[in-house]
Amino acid sequence: QKEVEQDPGPLSVPEGAIVSLNCTYSNSAFQYFMWYRQYSRKGPELLMYTYSSGNKEDGRFTAQVDKSSKYISLFIRDSQPSDSATYLCAMSANTGGFKTIFGAGTRLFVKA
Amino acid sequence: DTGVSQDPRHKITKRGQNVTFRCDPISEHNRLYWYRQTLGQGPEFLTYFQNEAQLEKSRLLSDRFSAERPKGSFSTLEIQRTEQGDSAMYLCASSLADSGFQHFGDGTRLSIL
Repeated sequence: QKEVEQDPGPLSVPEGAIVSLNCTYSNSAFQYFMWYRQYSRKGPELLMYTYSSGNKEDGRFTAQVDKSSKYISLFIRDSQPSDSATYLCAMSANTGGFKTIFGAGTRLFVKA
Repeated sequence: DTGVSQDPRHKITKRGQNVTFRCDPISEHNRLYWYRQTLGQGPEFLTYFQNEAQLEKSRLLSDRFSAERPKGSFSTLEIQRTEQGDSAMYLCASSLADSGFQHFGDGTRLSIL
């Protein structure tokens, strides 16, 4: 079993839809929870990060962390075709130098 | 802040050849990480440095792989005697020492003929 599980999709939605992306994890030592966006042939771009449990909102993006359930989510409101990308959940802990463990990524397509 | 820079962006080589990649981190970042990403997968940790010291290496980093960060600034990743299975995107990331998240470069894509 992988430390971080993420449905690879693909997920296809119409423009304007609310998108929900999720990951589960097994290591209770994780403290930082991140979402990265990756376009084809580019590196991961940090979208959101959260320390410990709770919610964080930034524009159309909301990240949620539920440490009791070992479950994290990213919501995208009013999705746009430019949101079409692969979304990677990622986690780290201060033991081991914050090396980051990634999910496999979910491919999202937003249709105009 | 010009971001993390990696060179080359794409490297094509024949099996058995040696290759070297370079990473220039964000200037004030003292931690530098290398990851490998294959198609359809998330990045996997290879190794990281704090300043010039290499503090951890993954079991994925075989004896054919070596990484250096001689003056605590840029880093190089060398692969000797490349194999087909080395074909992947090699990503570099950097951060401050007390930060739980990293900023990534656009990677070097390695193709083995």
